[in-house]
Amino acid sequence: DAGVTQSPTHLIKTRGQHVTLRCSPISGHKSVSWYQQVLGQGPQFIFQYYEKEERGRGNFPDRFSARQFPNYSSELNVNALLLGDSALYLCASSLGQGDQPQHFGDGTRLSIL
Amino acid sequence: QKEVEQNSGPLSVPEGAIASLNCTYSDRGSQSFFWYRQYSGKSPELIMSIYSNGDKEDGRFTAQLNKASQYVSLLIRDSQPSDSATYLCAVNGRAARQLTFGSGTQLTVLP
Repeated sequence: DAGVTQSPTHLIKTRGQHVTLRCSPISGHKSVSWYQQVLGQGPQFIFQYYEKEERGRGNFPDRFSARQFPNYSSELNVNALLLGDSALYLCASSLGQGDQPQHFGDGTRLSIL
Repeated sequence: QKEVEQNSGPLSVPEGAIASLNCTYSDRGSQSFFWYRQYSGKSPELIMSIYSNGDKEDGRFTAQLNKASQYVSLLIRDSQPSDSATYLCAVNGRAARQLTFGSGTQLTVLP
C-alpha cells in the first residue's frame, strides 16, 4: 500500500512569492496534519484537518493556510514567503483525529532565496 | 519550560549495547506518546507508540511510560550501526489535536 505522498519534493522560491504544497494520505486515513521542521529541531505543528474541517492550528501566522478535499488529500498554502519559511514541510496522516499514530510523508524541502 | 524535552546528545553507544533515550513532558493531561526515528535528510518514521503506564516491547525496542513523573523513555537493545539516527519523542496533548515534538536525540552506534 502506498504511504503518504507529498509533492513537490523540492521547491525554490523567492521572498514575497506564494507556494502550494500537496499531500495525499494513506488510503483509509481521514486526518491530515502539517508540520514545519527546521534543521536541528523537531517538527512544529501547523494544522490538522479531519473530515475536511480544520481541527487544530499551531502558532503560525495567517500567511499559512490549508484545506482538505473530499478525497482527504490536502494542500498547504503559504503567502508572502519570508527567508525564515525555508524548512522541510511534512504531511502526516492518521485514521482519525485523536490518539491514532501519525505517519509521515517524505516531505517537501522549501528554500527561499 | 519546553513542552517536550529530550537530551540533545549526541549519544554514542558501542554495537550490541543498550541505548537509552529519555523524554519529559509538561502537559499532565497528555494522552498518547510516540517515538519516531529520523535518518539524516529523511522524514520521521514511527517506531513505537504507548498509551498507558508501564512497558511496551516491540522487537529490540521497549518504550516505558510513567505519567505520574511525566516521563517516557525508549530502550534499544542490541544496538546496531543502522540504528544511528535522531530519535524524536512526540506527545499528543490533552485535546489530542496535535503532536508536540522534542528537539530529538542524536544516537550514534559505533561498530
